[in-house]
Amino acid sequence: SYELTQPPSVSVSPGQTARITCSGDALPKQYVYWYQQKPGQAPVLVIYKDTERPSGIPERFSGSSSGTTVTLTINGVQAEDEADYYCQSADSSGTYREFGGGTKLTVL
Amino acid sequence: QVQLQESGPGLVKPSETLSLSCSVSGGSFSGYYWTWIRQPAGKGLEWIGRVSARGSTNYNPSLKSRVTMSVDTSKNQFSLKLTSVTAADTAVYYCAREEDQLRTYDSWGHGTLVTVSS
Repeated sequence: SYELTQPPSVSVSPGQTARITCSGDALPKQYVYWYQQKPGQAPVLVIYKDTERPSGIPERFSGSSSGTTVTLTINGVQAEDEADYYCQSADSSGTYREFGGGTKLTVL
Repeated sequence: QVQLQESGPGLVKPSETLSLSCSVSGGSFSGYYWTWIRQPAGKGLEWIGRVSARGSTNYNPSLKSRVTMSVDTSKNQFSLKLTSVTAADTAVYYCAREEDQLRTYDSWGHGTLVTVSS
């Protein structure tokens, strides 16, 4: 089965930069989408098509891609950014969807 | 603004069939894939599968033998059936809308907890 690999946790102090990676063999061919999930809530899209930011998402959220790894970057992290972040993509055929295991972002 | 709402039993016995529906209000069915995603307590998101407005389906290969999804556009609903459930199927089940072109999950239900237990 297709897998997306994320670090289980990332910790940063307020105002610093958080980087969360997502790796997968199909990522050179398939876009990645990033979702933020806070406790008890449904996920919210923060980045789509590797680098695009939906309206309403703060500019401090950005995405980048290099080969089999994509990165979600949060500049100037705020306490409200503490959440679980999931990358999501498709297999090489584009048919099946997959989520990464999730990364818990802790704001120290 | 489209809204999605899951409904169905919160408790299902082992070996029985889990059945959930998702009601869609405020939006069109065409141009989207209608998706089920689940999340066991304290764990990550798992894509179960999707159904188009025309009824074509794609299922997670790991669940394919037990999953059936369907859509009823006349009732603005789509549904999930998962057979032969075990405790491992206990999770919060979300319905979501996947935009066909952008492939984003742009709308989600609040999620419904389904517990498999005798």
